[in-house]
Amino acid sequence: QQQVKQSPQSLIVQKGGIPIINCAYENTAFDYFPWYQQFPGKGPALLIAIRPDVSEKKEGRFTISFNKSAKQFSLHIMDSQPGDSATYFCAASSSSTDDKIIFGKGTRLHILP
Amino acid sequence: NAGVMQNPRHLVRRRGQEARLRCSPMKGHSHVYWYRQLPEEGLKFMVYLQKENIIDESGMPKERFSAEFPKEGPSILRIQQVVRGDSAAYFCASSPPSRFGQYFGPGTRLTVT
Repeated sequence: QQQVKQSPQSLIVQKGGIPIINCAYENTAFDYFPWYQQFPGKGPALLIAIRPDVSEKKEGRFTISFNKSAKQFSLHIMDSQPGDSATYFCAASSSSTDDKIIFGKGTRLHILP
Repeated sequence: NAGVMQNPRHLVRRRGQEARLRCSPMKGHSHVYWYRQLPEEGLKFMVYLQKENIIDESGMPKERFSAEFPKEGPSILRIQQVVRGDSAAYFCASSPPSRFGQYFGPGTRLTVT
């Protein structure tokens, strides 16, 4: 059973556009929702994270929108740049399960110059 | 402040040999998690350790895999009698006792020939 579902699998956007990546979860015990960015051959890097008592969080050009009732959250990248081309993973964790992270399957994002 | 360190970065083993992967957490971090990433897949939780204790090993295969985090030195993920299906990228992440935020190392890419 996939606990965190992520879509789309891949996404191509023109430079300056706003790619949106969506995730849905099932376990209401999740209390922490991070997004990770991964470049080829590198480890995932923590990009931004949100807790369920907040509906939106912005850090620079990255925004998470969180809908607790729908059990969905999404990542928006404003003014996207070719350097943002990477694989993005949404994830969730719960203090009741020792904070082990459950990852979505990833979205491969390509920003066209 | 050095990040999470993993070595070796690349490891080639023949079927039946042993693989030892090492992880040094960030300074001040006492929690270590190991994850496995298969090609084109998200990361899958394997084990969560604190110093001298295995807290959660629910993601570890029942045989051939073991992990430790001794009082002194790095955390070790050990795979005995490797098989081709063990070929993957293995990442460790560390977090501080205050929870929230796991920081990943660059990974060890294991190839079994």
